[in-house]
Amino acid sequence: QQQVKQSPQSLIVQKGGISIINCAYENTAFDYFPWYQQFPGKGPALLIAIRPDVSEKKEGRFTISFNKSAKQFSLHIMDSQPGDSATYFCAARAGGSYIPTFGRGTSLIVHP
Amino acid sequence: EAGVTQFPSHSVIEKGQTVTLRCDPISGHDNLYWYRRVMGKEIKFLLHFVKESKQDESGMPNNRFLAERTGGTYSTLKVQPAELEDSGVYFCASSPLGGAGGYTFGSGTRLTVV
Repeated sequence: QQQVKQSPQSLIVQKGGISIINCAYENTAFDYFPWYQQFPGKGPALLIAIRPDVSEKKEGRFTISFNKSAKQFSLHIMDSQPGDSATYFCAARAGGSYIPTFGRGTSLIVHP
Repeated sequence: EAGVTQFPSHSVIEKGQTVTLRCDPISGHDNLYWYRRVMGKEIKFLLHFVKESKQDESGMPNNRFLAERTGGTYSTLKVQPAELEDSGVYFCASSPLGGAGGYTFGSGTRLTVV
């Protein structure tokens, strides 16, 4: 059973475009929602994270939008650049737990 | 500061053989985690050490997998005997005590069982 559903599986955008990756969850105990970025040959690295007390968090060109009632959250990458090409994982973690539950990942390719 | 180091980076073994993966966490990080990603699937939790103790091993697939962390420093994950479905990328991560959000992942070991 997939606790965090992520889509799309792959995404191709042109340089300067907006990349949008969506995730949905079922467990209402989740209270921390990180996004990880993974480049080929490297491990996942924390990119940006949000808690459900806010609906949006922005860091540079990266924005998380959070909809608590729908149990959905998404990552928006504005002005996408070829250097953003990577695999992105959403995750969710319940309070008191050290273990996040990951989505299946989205392979993003940004064409120059 | 050195990151989380894993080796080997790649391993190809035959079904039935034994493989041992190693993880060196960031110095001073008491929490050490093992994860696995099968191609195209989610990153799945295997187990969590706090120092040398297994805090949570609920994700270990079966008794062919054995993880150790003697002395609370580096950790090893042994698969014996390996099966085809064990293929995937094995990630190690570490975080300081109390730092549930401060995960640092290693680059992973890509295991292929043929």
